[in-house]
Formats: sequence, structure tokens, C-alpha cells
Amino acid sequence: EVQLVESGGGLVQPGGSLRLSCAASGFTFSSYWMSWVRQAPGKGLEWVASINQDGSEKYYVDSVKGRFTISRANAKNSLFLQMNSLRAEDTAVYYCARRVGSSWQWYFDLWGRGTLVTVSS
Amino acid sequence: SYELTQPPSVSVSPGQTARITCSGDALPKRYAYWYQQRSGQAPVVVIYEDSKRPSGIPERFSGSSSGTMATLTISGAQVEDEADYYCYSTDSSGNHGVFGGGTKLTVL
Repeated sequence: EVQLVESGGGLVQPGGSLRLSCAASGFTFSSYWMSWVRQAPGKGLEWVASINQDGSEKYYVDSVKGRFTISRANAKNSLFLQMNSLRAEDTAVYYCARRVGSSWQWYFDLWGRGTLVTVSS
Repeated sequence: SYELTQPPSVSVSPGQTARITCSGDALPKRYAYWYQQRSGQAPVVVIYEDSKRPSGIPERFSGSSSGTMATLTISGAQVEDEADYYCYSTDSSGNHGVFGGGTKLTVL
């Protein structure tokens, strides 16, 4: 079955760190760009970061640049998001998503169920 | 930063046509995509590249784009179409994704 399964969410204090993981199965993970998308409680969707097939290209939304790092381990079919210096406004459900399309017009055709990150003291 | 603008809510009766708009300055040069998100679930793409419908999406869903506005049309909306709908595109650099604020569709 083609699927993405996120893990690693939880409660963390402001200023703390958390590492999210996404396990991919049912498709050739190493052939795809991958992304993280988040959704704050009761709010809309926000693209967070993308990484290319071999990890040499990474892009971030301005609000997380310098604090979050996207990475991948193709041998383990896994995507990661290292989140440092967390703020209350980072509280959200974080979705792992497969990116398809061209290099400058792309979208997400496969999503995980998401993992909740809560930043609170 | 680039923005996509949607109306917060649209309401129709069952069987009527629902239209949800999305405006953005880069849309003349960028495809629009549409996601449906039912309560508590992950988003699902219902329209890609302005007007293409993925397999498994009902024919009542269609998309169009003209100038700076893209439109999702649901012809003969059903109660099960009640959900949040998000338009999506990429910015002028092609390196960042952007979602609209979302439109809550009520069918009752």
C-alpha cells in the first residue's frame, strides 16, 4: 500500500526541540521530492519545507528558516524534520507529503495522517 | 510574500452549483490546484493543473483559471462535499508552495 506515516510529535516547551519522522512505503521514495506541510489548530494549511531526491536542495518558508531542518534517509525510506527554538506559533499538525510536478510548478499528491506538535509551557 | 485569496465561506443547497474562487497575481503564469479537507482528515487533491481531475474524483468537480483568478466548481453539490477547500500554487521562484486561506463549503 502506498502510504506515509508520521511520528515524533508531542508536547514541548518554548525554545525546545523536536524531531519528526515520516516513513514511506509502497513507492520508490528516492525518486520523489518530499515536503512538510503544517496546520495550526482551526487554521489553514501552510507549506513548511521541501527537499529534493538526494537531499542537495532544500527550501523553507521564511518563518522557520534557520530553526527547522528537513532531511531524508533514502536507504530507510524516511523523511525528517528537525525543529529547534520552537515557538507557540509552531503548534500544529505536521503532515508529510509527496511532491510531484515540474521543478517550478508542483503540488502534493500523497499525504500522511499528520502528527501533532504542541509548544507550550 | 506571495498570497492566494479565497472567500472564507460558501453555502449552497444540495443539488446547486458551488463556486469557490482563488485570486493571486502569479496565477496567469502558474497552475492552480485545489484540495478538499474533510473534518479531521488529511487534504486530498480534487483538481490539479487548473482543470485536471485525478482518478476517483467525481465528475461534478471541475476547475478553471482565467487571468489572476482560479475557480473550483462543484456542479450539483452533495452533502458529502461539505468540507474546507484550499487553493494552492507555487510562487514566482518556483521554490515555495503557497496555500490560500481556505473556504468552508456548507451544503444544506
